[in-house]
Amino acid sequence: AQKITQTQPGMFVQEKEAVTLDCTYDTSDPSYGLFWYKQPSSGEMIFLIYQGSYDQQNATEGRYSLNFQKARKSANLVISASQLGDSAMYFCAMRERAGNNRKLIWGLGTSLAVNP
Amino acid sequence: DAGITQSPRYKITETGRQVTLMCHQTWSHSYMFWYRQDLGHGLRLIYYSAAADITDKGEVPDGYVVSRSKTENFPLTLESATRSQTSVYFCASSLDGSIAKNIQYFGAGTRLSVL
Repeated sequence: AQKITQTQPGMFVQEKEAVTLDCTYDTSDPSYGLFWYKQPSSGEMIFLIYQGSYDQQNATEGRYSLNFQKARKSANLVISASQLGDSAMYFCAMRERAGNNRKLIWGLGTSLAVNP
Repeated sequence: DAGITQSPRYKITETGRQVTLMCHQTWSHSYMFWYRQDLGHGLRLIYYSAAADITDKGEVPDGYVVSRSKTENFPLTLESATRSQTSVYFCASSLDGSIAKNIQYFGAGTRLSVL
């Protein structure tokens, strides 16, 4: 079963508008972390934001915020005031505390296109 | 701050040849990882290393060999390249931690084509 699900293969947003990229996860571990990465067309993977399962507040990093709904097991990425440079693939990933390999479990990504 | 660098960025090779992809990080991170990225599969972990001389298999280790004699280097070798190993390869590193927050930082990737 998929542990990380990103249901939107592609999204479009108008420049300066906000956009939400969905991510749902599945784990029985009470301690876990959720990560979002950006992959622009140049190919590199860029870390954006992290949310811990015990964090009381939703994570924010500049224009990025994470809408964390623990009971629903969702960790949606919100990008406010979209810019053309936000056009990229976005990946959600999870790390569970169980195990020592520090392995991240990845979703298949959402392609975001920002229109001028 | 050099961070994490991969070389080469692009490589074309032939079936059956040995290929080594290099990864070097300057952060003294304990953990290093190799992933491959393919359409429809996302990122899949090939091998990882918790420290020098400690390596372990990920999801898709067959056909790959790794070593880590120094903390900063984590080369990935394809002993006898096959067409199915055509992919984009990413190296990543993270500072060890006992909690879930353990951000992995990625290199720029190596695009490998096996003809």
